Amino acid sequence: AQKVTQAQTEISVVEKEDVTLDCVYETRDTTYYLFWYKQPPSGELVFLIRRNSFDEQNEISGRYSWNFQKSTSSFNFTITASQVVDSAVYFCVTNAGGTSYGKLTFGQGTILTVHP
Amino acid sequence: GAVVSQHPSWVICKSGTSVKIECRSLDFQATTMFWYRQFPKQSLMLMATSNEGSKATYEQGVEKDKFLINHASLTLSTLTVTSAHPEDSSFYICSARKSSGGAETQYFGPGTRLLVL
Repeated sequence: AQKVTQAQTEISVVEKEDVTLDCVYETRDTTYYLFWYKQPPSGELVFLIRRNSFDEQNEISGRYSWNFQKSTSSFNFTITASQVVDSAVYFCVTNAGGTSYGKLTFGQGTILTVHP
Repeated sequence: GAVVSQHPSWVICKSGTSVKIECRSLDFQATTMFWYRQFPKQSLMLMATSNEGSKATYEQGVEKDKFLINHASLTLSTLTVTSAHPEDSSFYICSARKSSGGAETQYFGPGTRLLVL
């Protein structure tokens, strides 16, 4: 069975600080997918990134960057120069069945609060 | 794009009534949609997988007769909470699976907040 652990329940930072959200996953599948979703106070989940297990290349998208380390089963997410609009719950997610269309397994979420 | 809508966004109803929630993929077709439930300050819990043209697959512990799912078309799935009770009050979220670049991603609707009095 898959499991995702987000050890940080809540993080509070001041605007412009960098912040890293940790994610550790467990799976027996050799092929799997990892995702990050953002859930702002409005409640709607916003897709941020999808990464497959064969692609360990780190990715940067604007102020967002992701560090995938297969050796440590981690898929950490860094926000550079955080902004108040980044305040949200962030979920690290993996899927079941070795394909990108399996059922999703969610971490418990990290509540990020960015203060002005 | 990948836009998923849900209707209604808010429902307040009396105990014993049934509530229908619609989930639509607006700019893509989705043979598979998913229904989740989320309690305050908790993660999402998968309730069922909705398959177009066939019966839904329910997760263990989810009552099929309580939560009726119908996936009538490639862009619409509905969840009906039958004979709702206060303990059914929750945030219900649907997602639709979209194929892109050889892989698939679930895109989520904005959610429906249900309050049963």
